[in-house]
Amino acid sequence: DADVTQTPRNRITKTGKRIMLECSQTKGHDRMYWYRQDPGLGLRLIYYSFDVKDINKGEISDGYSVSRQAQAKFSLSLESAIPNQTALYFCATSDARDGYEQYFGPGTRLTVT
Amino acid sequence: GIQVEQSPPDLILQEGANSTLRCNFSDSVNNLQWFHQNPWGQLINLFYIPSGTKQNGRLSATTVATERYSLLYISSSQTTDSGVYFCAVSNYGGSQGNLIFGKGTKLSVKP
Repeated sequence: DADVTQTPRNRITKTGKRIMLECSQTKGHDRMYWYRQDPGLGLRLIYYSFDVKDINKGEISDGYSVSRQAQAKFSLSLESAIPNQTALYFCATSDARDGYEQYFGPGTRLTVT
Repeated sequence: GIQVEQSPPDLILQEGANSTLRCNFSDSVNNLQWFHQNPWGQLINLFYIPSGTKQNGRLSATTVATERYSLLYISSSQTTDSGVYFCAVSNYGGSQGNLIFGKGTKLSVKP
């Protein structure tokens, strides 16, 4: 089984809808991240969490919110989806025990019509 | 913030050829990772290499932290090597510890 899982893997939604992307990890890592990738570009940070009570905005947090329900779970919500949020979304984890090497989930491909 | 530049942006190879991908970064880093993004969009960890040299099969990587660059070598390329290769860096002593990604090198290996 994969160490970092994301659900759903693909999602098509309409403008104005609320949507939640979920991430779970079995690595026991403290740090979790949400990134977004637009076509032809690298990944950019949306939100990050160093533990359950420590959540911080990243470079492009506008229009997104997150919830760290447990050490192993980190969810990303789009409160009112818009077409320019169409992208590939990745969750990642890291921890001091692994030298902060980041491990990524398989990604969620989100399309907002 | 740290800037990451990758070169070349695009590379076309014949199967069996060797290649070198370069990553330059603008500041000191504690973490440098190379990833391969396959045609299905998945990011595959290739190397965690903040300094030194590592090898894994046909792939190897070298990071010279004092000169702020890293190289990824692919030998005897195969069609399955096609995809986008990303370099990403971070300074986990900073407030975020997130990775800063370059724009990638798109590799196409022709049979």
